[in-house]
Amino acid sequence: EVQLVESGGGLVQPGGSLRLSCAASGFTFSSYWMSWVRQAPGKGLEWVANIKQDGSEKYYVDSVKGRFTISRDNAKNSLYLQMNSLRAEDTAVYYCARLTFTVVTDYWGQGTLVTVSS
Amino acid sequence: DIQMTQSPSSLSASVGDRVTITCRASQGIRNDLGWYQQKPGKAPKRLIYAASSLQSGVPSRFSGSGSGTEFTLTISSLQPEDFATYYCLQHNSYPRSFGQGTKLEIK
Repeated sequence: EVQLVESGGGLVQPGGSLRLSCAASGFTFSSYWMSWVRQAPGKGLEWVANIKQDGSEKYYVDSVKGRFTISRDNAKNSLYLQMNSLRAEDTAVYYCARLTFTVVTDYWGQGTLVTVSS
Repeated sequence: DIQMTQSPSSLSASVGDRVTITCRASQGIRNDLGWYQQKPGKAPKRLIYAASSLQSGVPSRFSGSGSGTEFTLTISSLQPEDFATYYCLQHNSYPRSFGQGTKLEIK
């Protein structure tokens, strides 16, 4: 069974940092692009970042460029999102996702809440 | 960047109704589009990939169509479990972008 389990969310002050983790199981993690998607409270979905199977390509939404870094450790079947210089508008549930765009099923984690507030 | 304009933002309908949701892309994206359903407190679930292909396990009352800049999601006969929020997502280019969402409510 495919599972994606996020952790690391919590309350952080503006300007602070947080590192999210996503533990993957049930599939060959190193074979898939992985993504982070977020959803502010009561708002829609926003794609945040993608990383290629070997980590050689990374893409970000403009609003997080230079502040967030996506990374992965294929030996640990883990995806990460390092978030620096956090702002109130980064408050959201952050989902780890395997987005395939093909007949192969998408999978999403349950999400982890990040709250940026003083 | 590609903007996805989804309409309507909300929709009231009854069980058994046929409903259509539209996404328009600000530039052509071929058929690089998926449709997602999200229920409160849950992660999104993909219904349609490649604009018109039904994800395995998804009921056949869901269908997608379109190519280029205009796409539709149709639910042929609404069931109680279909009341949720629906999103389109383009994966033609970076940054990926979702539509704003359509909240489907019971009339």
